[in-house]
Amino acid sequence: SAVISQKPSRDICQRGTSLTIQCQVDSQVTMMFWYRQQPGQSLTLIATANQGSEATYESGFVIDKFPISRPNLTFSTLTVSNMSPEDSSIYLCSASTPGSNEKLFFGSGTQLSVL
Amino acid sequence: DQQVKQNSPSLSVQEGRISILNCDYTNSMFDYFLWYKKYPAEGPTFLISISSIKDKNEDGRFTVFLNKSAKHLSLHIVPSQPGDSAVYFCAAGVYNTDKLIFGTGTRLQVFP
Repeated sequence: SAVISQKPSRDICQRGTSLTIQCQVDSQVTMMFWYRQQPGQSLTLIATANQGSEATYESGFVIDKFPISRPNLTFSTLTVSNMSPEDSSIYLCSASTPGSNEKLFFGSGTQLSVL
Repeated sequence: DQQVKQNSPSLSVQEGRISILNCDYTNSMFDYFLWYKKYPAEGPTFLISISSIKDKNEDGRFTVFLNKSAKHLSLHIVPSQPGDSAVYFCAAGVYNTDKLIFGTGTRLQVFP
């Protein structure tokens, strides 16, 4: 199993500002992902965080809006840029570990509110 | 296009009875399916999974059934307990990609 620490756990931000969310995994990691859960909605995959290279974004998400870094195997950041109220959501970091058989582990999430 | 659907947003069950949560998918490439449970202010936690080569997987009180021809899976919890009250997400993926597509969730409430 893996323990994923994510911070901040929540934040209230002003429109037009940016917030960087950090994710740290305590064990060996195969893949890292960032998800978003808008109110009453499903968990939607934003991107796959690739170590040492640009993240792979899903349809509807772009690097300028959600820049992602993964400088090493166990750490990643997601930035929500130029925020608007529509970005108010829970952002979740997740990871898979060797032998986890497609099972993802999740951080506790970052509850973001944009005013 | 919602590839994984949970059509029941909520379910209320009496303690001791069976809870049945349903999930449908559209992408025939999916060959691995999982159920996650989520409490408020926590991340989802893995509950049980099934690969497409099986039609049933059981783990204690939890059983997942897969009907490939109908592109349908279900989670059975028996007997249901108040601690099972949470939001349940089904998820689907293609083996060896680790990338999962989630349904919209079903909020289960188990009352005494």
